[in-house]
Amino acid sequence: GAVVSQHPSWVICKSGTSVKIECRSLDFQATTMFWYRQFPKQSLMLMATSNEGSKATYEQGVEKDKFLINHASLTLSTLTVTSAHPEDSSFYICSASFEGDNEQFFGPGTRLTVL
Amino acid sequence: AQSVTQLGSHVSVSEGALVLLRCNYSSSVPPYLFWYVQYPNQGLQLLLKYTTGATLVKGINGFEAEFKKSETSFHLTKPSAHMSDAAEYFCAVSGPNQGGKLIFGQGTELSVKP
Repeated sequence: GAVVSQHPSWVICKSGTSVKIECRSLDFQATTMFWYRQFPKQSLMLMATSNEGSKATYEQGVEKDKFLINHASLTLSTLTVTSAHPEDSSFYICSASFEGDNEQFFGPGTRLTVL
Repeated sequence: AQSVTQLGSHVSVSEGALVLLRCNYSSSVPPYLFWYVQYPNQGLQLLLKYTTGATLVKGINGFEAEFKKSETSFHLTKPSAHMSDAAEYFCAVSGPNQGGKLIFGQGTELSVKP
């Protein structure tokens, strides 16, 4: 089946620093990747949709200058949380889909803790 | 616009009992419907999905769901709960020409008592 990985699985950083999270599709070419944020005991909130080679489309209320998304290849998308603050602490999950398919394949998530 | 409502944020059943997790949707286009399961600190795993065709959909781990257009529902069932079924379950909706975007319900935590 289609496998999506994320790296790192968890990260702790100091307030004011930037953190990069990678999302890779391991055995398929992902034309579209999605980034979600999940708070404890809550549902997934879509942050942005990215298509390979084009700018990401951000959901309303998501700061594009704070959450930088790059989808440079068909197998890799990155999310950079810039100038992280404690309120950015969350579980970040990516997913990927390939052209013509309506299913998303989810990564294992990255736990970000900002001190 | 699309939305999903999962009735009951927490459901508790005994091992061997029927599992029923409720999901109702709203969609202005023919819906694609999904059920995902999430174990603690993990990503989501697809249990089953409905796009077109047969309205009774069978998934992994003995789960199934039935698309009922008249009731705008897509409830998830399993005849006999197992301890390993304890997890968070999410219903989601998408549709044609939606760019693949999923709209998730609030989630239902399933507990299984021995």
